[in-house]
Amino acid sequence: EPEVTQTPSHQVTQMGQEVILRCVPISNHLYFYWYRQILGQKVEFLVSFYNNEISEKSEIFDDQFSVERPDGSNFTLKIRSTKLEDSAMYFCASIGMRDPRPGEQYFGPGTRLTVT
Amino acid sequence: GENVEQHPSTLSVQEGDSAVIKCTYSDSASNYFPWYKQELGKRPQLIIDIRSNVGEKKDQRIAVTLNKTAKHFSLHITETQPEDSAVYFCAASKTSGTYKYIFGTGTRLKVLA
Repeated sequence: EPEVTQTPSHQVTQMGQEVILRCVPISNHLYFYWYRQILGQKVEFLVSFYNNEISEKSEIFDDQFSVERPDGSNFTLKIRSTKLEDSAMYFCASIGMRDPRPGEQYFGPGTRLTVT
Repeated sequence: GENVEQHPSTLSVQEGDSAVIKCTYSDSASNYFPWYKQELGKRPQLIIDIRSNVGEKKDQRIAVTLNKTAKHFSLHITETQPEDSAVYFCAASKTSGTYKYIFGTGTRLKVLA
């Protein structure tokens, strides 16, 4: 069964550094998402991406964040200048659109980002 | 704004007993309600979902009920087993917009053998 993959599994970076988190969504999926989960807290929506552009972003997704789909397979989240509070698990998700109604999102295994 | 509340935050049950987790959503346009199970260090996995045109759905030991009027939905696990121990998240989504999920705060379920 196809799965969403993410790399790296764990990223440690210093405050102020740029990080790029990578995701490979399921190949025939059309909507892509990034969520984050601060340790012990709920999963929070960051951004959705459709037809090669951002379709919605949350208040968390400020100018320090950007997303890109550089080719037909990868979907990346860049944090330009990391802060301590960016430490979290970041999940990529994708959804196929066999049905025009909302449906199951498939989650990647996550990247744990630690900012020191 | 969009919000999903989830209770309880932790739940301990004896093996074989039932567990119930409840969620309330704020956006009346929400029409899809998935439940995800997340084991420690792993990705969330869908266990059951329900759409707003249905009041109840069952899959073996797991069932979900939806009350659209009250904007409540609940997860019911019967005959709990130790492997049911995990964190469970409810979520709400809607057709208009981007199909994003708004998650609840999670319930840590412990099934005691």
